Amino acid sequence: DAGVIQSPRHEVTEMGQEVTLRCKPISGHNSLFWYRQTMMRGLELLIYFNNNVPIDDSGMPEDRFSAKMPNASFSTLKIQPSEPRDSAVYFCASSPTSSIADTQYFGPGTRLTVL
Amino acid sequence: AQSVTQLDSQVPVFEEAPVELRCNYSSSVSVYLFWYVQYPNQGLQLLLKYLSGSTLVKGINGFEAEFNKSQTSFHLRKPSVHISDTAEYFCAVKNDYKLSFGAGTTVTVRA
Repeated sequence: DAGVIQSPRHEVTEMGQEVTLRCKPISGHNSLFWYRQTMMRGLELLIYFNNNVPIDDSGMPEDRFSAKMPNASFSTLKIQPSEPRDSAVYFCASSPTSSIADTQYFGPGTRLTVL
Repeated sequence: AQSVTQLDSQVPVFEEAPVELRCNYSSSVSVYLFWYVQYPNQGLQLLLKYLSGSTLVKGINGFEAEFNKSQTSFHLRKPSVHISDTAEYFCAVKNDYKLSFGAGTTVTVRA
């Protein structure tokens, strides 16, 4: 079975540009998570969707960040405008349900560099 | 609030030697604990998890961890490491849907 798919794997952009990261969760999973990994802050949860509905976006840094999940098989994380401090690895993860016992399965990540 | 502390940021170890990665947690409620591994330039992969029951949990690739409630610890061990175990290891505690990760321990295995 295919795991969580993310694209692009690498993105280099200039400050002020719009960036869109994409995620396809594992088929049948109803929970989707976006994380950011940086050296300074480690792994942080940005937003959590359940059945395509955003449940917890308290980790989204500021209004420049937005996330959508238009259907069960696709989600996007958008940064507009991007800034150098947004440089990080962004992971998407999915789990079968929202149960506390469920494992979250991570994608390979998108390494974002904002110049 | 729940949190984890990984006590070692870097652990160098020789091939075929044992390794232990230390993790302490803080929680006021029942705990669900996880260890993930991140190989270079890859996503996180689950090694093992503790939900309830036996305090000794066996995972993939020969890893195991022991849940110790009195010491609020969940240390990860492997009796004999391989070069391929070179990676970063993350301990995490789960509250409802939210995973809170430790800072990570980088394991470097040398021949």
